[in-house]
Amino acid sequence: EPEVTQTPSHQVTQMGQEVILRCVPISNHLYFYWYRQILGQKVEFLVSFYNNEISEKSEIFDDQFSVERPDGSNFTLKIRSTKLEDSAMYFCASSWGPADTQYFGPGTRLTVL
Amino acid sequence: AQKVTQAQTEISVVEKEDVTLDCVYETRDTTYYLFWYKQPPSGELVFLIRRNSFDEQNEISGRYSWNFQKSTSSFNFTITASQVVDSAVYFCALSPEGGGSEKLVFGKGTKLTVNP
Repeated sequence: EPEVTQTPSHQVTQMGQEVILRCVPISNHLYFYWYRQILGQKVEFLVSFYNNEISEKSEIFDDQFSVERPDGSNFTLKIRSTKLEDSAMYFCASSWGPADTQYFGPGTRLTVL
Repeated sequence: AQKVTQAQTEISVVEKEDVTLDCVYETRDTTYYLFWYKQPPSGELVFLIRRNSFDEQNEISGRYSWNFQKSTSSFNFTITASQVVDSAVYFCALSPEGGGSEKLVFGKGTKLTVNP
């Protein structure tokens, strides 16, 4: 069964460093998403991406964040200068259409020291 | 604005008990989708069900059943004869249909512990 994959599973970084989180969505899906979950809290939407551009972003997704689909399979989330409060689990998701079921990857746990 | 409320923060039951997880939502959209996801201790988010706002039929899948009542804006989830493997955090989520927004709005989750 096709699934969304994410690497790395855990990333530890120093405050102020740049990190890139990687995702491989399900191959025939057209919509891609990033969400985050601060420990013990709810899952929050960051950004959606379709047709090689951002279709929607939340207030959390400020200038420190960017997304890219560098090739036909990968979808990345970059945080330019990490802050302590960026520590969270980051989930990638994909769906075939805009209102279809979003399937989530296993997540990347980001720890900012 | 859209909002999902899961009033039960934590529930603890003994194996084989039935348990219902409540979900109440708010939206001004006339068409929307409702979802339930399971997050086991390993951390991943597992899709359980997607329901269109026009389809108010209850659904049963094995030990799982869902009760959608548009009149009360609720989409409750029942696990029959619970098992230890059902222990997880369960999230209810809402998504508009079209309108340019594809995001899922999640509730805060209900942590279910099933004790042997």
